[in-house]
Amino acid sequence: QSALTQPASVSGSPGQSITISCTGTSSDIGAYNYVSWYQQHPGKAPKLMIYEVTNRPSGVSNRFSGSKSGNTASLTISGLQAEDEADYYCNSYTISRSWVFGGGTKLTVL
Amino acid sequence: QVQLQESGPGLVKPSGTLSLTCAVSGGSISSDTYWNWVRQPPGKGLEWIGEIYHSGSTNYKSSLESRVTISVDKSKNQFSLKLSSVTAADTAVYYCAGNSGWYTDYWGQGTLVTVSS
Repeated sequence: QSALTQPASVSGSPGQSITISCTGTSSDIGAYNYVSWYQQHPGKAPKLMIYEVTNRPSGVSNRFSGSKSGNTASLTISGLQAEDEADYYCNSYTISRSWVFGGGTKLTVL
Repeated sequence: QVQLQESGPGLVKPSGTLSLTCAVSGGSISSDTYWNWVRQPPGKGLEWIGEIYHSGSTNYKSSLESRVTISVDKSKNQFSLKLSSVTAADTAVYYCAGNSGWYTDYWGQGTLVTVSS
């Protein structure tokens, strides 16, 4: 299973919106609505931000939203805040009954 | 709230076997949860290794399957990872994690395992 494709880095100014894409195939993202997104600050464990493409766990800000079209999923963060600066990973279930992560995107808040 | 804690040697010799255990607290290993291992080489991204259900049913990443064994010990409320024939490429922070749905909502703090002689 090849890793899902994410941009290596994105950046934005406080208050702006950014979108991180995650491209897979018809064997993973395109096959199921089991796409999740994780935020990871340096030296910390990942944190679930979005699950099943569009759902936010309790306690996650509504500034975070997810979507999917075909084999590509996206994470949008609106009203960027300094605390959003972190690495973000997408993850999808696959037809091989396995999970695959994206390569990760480093978000810089300018 | 479910909490996970990894334990095991931080240093493994090349060609040896990496062995880690994840203790589950605040919940039962027999709950409707898939228990996972995920690793992250220094400065790199996350890599899913495999998962187990309390019934013993497992799924592994295909490229690691020949070297990986994940097992569960219900009496100790814990699950374990064994990775054989390790090389420097297996040096990583290893996380144990739990999927109560089609997502990972429980994570351990991670433990660094270095493969070196």
